[in-house]
Amino acid sequence: AQTVTQSQPEMSVQEAETVTLSCTYDTSESDYYLFWYKQPPSRQMILVIRQEAYKQQNATENRFSVNFQKAAKSFSLKISDSQLGDAAMYFCAYRSAPRPTRFGAGTRLTVKP
Amino acid sequence: DAGVIQSPRHEVTEMGQEVTLRCKPISGHNSLFWYRQTMMRGLELLIYFNNNVPIDDSGMPEDRFSAKMPNASFSTLKIQPSEPRDSAVYFCASTFRGAYEQYFGPGTRLTVT
Repeated sequence: AQTVTQSQPEMSVQEAETVTLSCTYDTSESDYYLFWYKQPPSRQMILVIRQEAYKQQNATENRFSVNFQKAAKSFSLKISDSQLGDAAMYFCAYRSAPRPTRFGAGTRLTVKP
Repeated sequence: DAGVIQSPRHEVTEMGQEVTLRCKPISGHNSLFWYRQTMMRGLELLIYFNNNVPIDDSGMPEDRFSAKMPNASFSTLKIQPSEPRDSAVYFCASTFRGAYEQYFGPGTRLTVT
């Protein structure tokens, strides 16, 4: 069974600084996607970034980037130039279609002004 | 596109009452997922459908829970009778069967007193 582990229940960062959220996963599949979702207080699940397992290049979306280490089954999220609006729960997720997405327990990120 | 639509957004009911949550997936999507989110257990998959057919309902906690998808544009999750421990946020998500990203609705916050 595929599992997703986020070992950091809470993290904090100073505004404008950089923070890295950790995620590891377990799978025997070779074809899959990894995601980071953001859930602000509004509780809407917002896709931040995704990574295809077959791609060696790390995905980047503006201030958000990932460090994908396939052999180590590690998928961390780096947020650069943190903003107050980045404060939220962040979920690491795994999917090997057609099976459903599996989520980690989440990391609550606080941004200090 | 309107995105995934869920109703109601908030539901408060008394223990023992029947609760019905509704979901309209994105037009053209043929996979639909129901998740439950609680502080204790995080995001749990309850059931998912492909082409209106339930594929895996192993996450449904008890026989009190049932889900239907009578057509491609509508699904319901019913709890009968409801209990206080059912209090949670219930999310519906949809996707194309061959795609990887799931699109989430805004969720229904259920409170059972």
